[in-house]
Amino acid sequence: SAVISQKPSRDICQRGTSLTIQCQVDSQVTMMFWYRQQPGQSLTLIATANQGSEATYESGFVIDKFPISRPNLTFSTLTVSNMSPEDSSIYLCSASPGRVGNYGYTFGSGTRLTVV
Amino acid sequence: GENVEQHPSTLSVQEGDSAVIKCTYSDSASNYFPWYKQELGKRPQLIIDIRSNVGEKKDQRIAVTLNKTAKHFSLHITETQPEDSAVYFCAASIGWNTGNQFYFGTGTSLTVIP
Repeated sequence: SAVISQKPSRDICQRGTSLTIQCQVDSQVTMMFWYRQQPGQSLTLIATANQGSEATYESGFVIDKFPISRPNLTFSTLTVSNMSPEDSSIYLCSASPGRVGNYGYTFGSGTRLTVV
Repeated sequence: GENVEQHPSTLSVQEGDSAVIKCTYSDSASNYFPWYKQELGKRPQLIIDIRSNVGEKKDQRIAVTLNKTAKHFSLHITETQPEDSAVYFCAASIGWNTGNQFYFGTGTSLTVIP
């Protein structure tokens, strides 16, 4: 299955600052997805990142707050901008290489963000 | 859009017993249903999946069943072991390699008591 490297694994940030999270996939994928997971909660989709076009954001998430880049088929970044304590969460990227016999999403290891 | 409901939210079983987690979905167009296991502090890992053209799939102690008519699918773990303790998420999607998004259930925290 695909391997996704995500960094940083954790960070403690001051409110009002921004953090950029990076995900690198070991194979080319059309779509990459960014999720937020509060402790003990399910995964909430933030946006879908398609290479060569603007990311598609889910209700409640906007580009100014969570700008996403997708410069090629193996890499994506998510920036959490102008952070507040409410942004403290785990952020995960995922992708599905869609290879025969291996369809499910693979997730990055997650970024645990604490905003103080 | 799709709405996936998952029950129970917590489940405790004795080691060796079976565990069953159930999910329902709302969109009849959904045709791919993966299950993920997430251990504490780790990423979700795909453990089994099923497509709508089959009613059941088994992989050793884990099985998934699908009832398209009723729009529900279930995860069955037999002969549970302490290492099965984790949070399990079901999901539903239209297509499995199209890049369509997955809709996740709310999760079930499974504890296997030695």
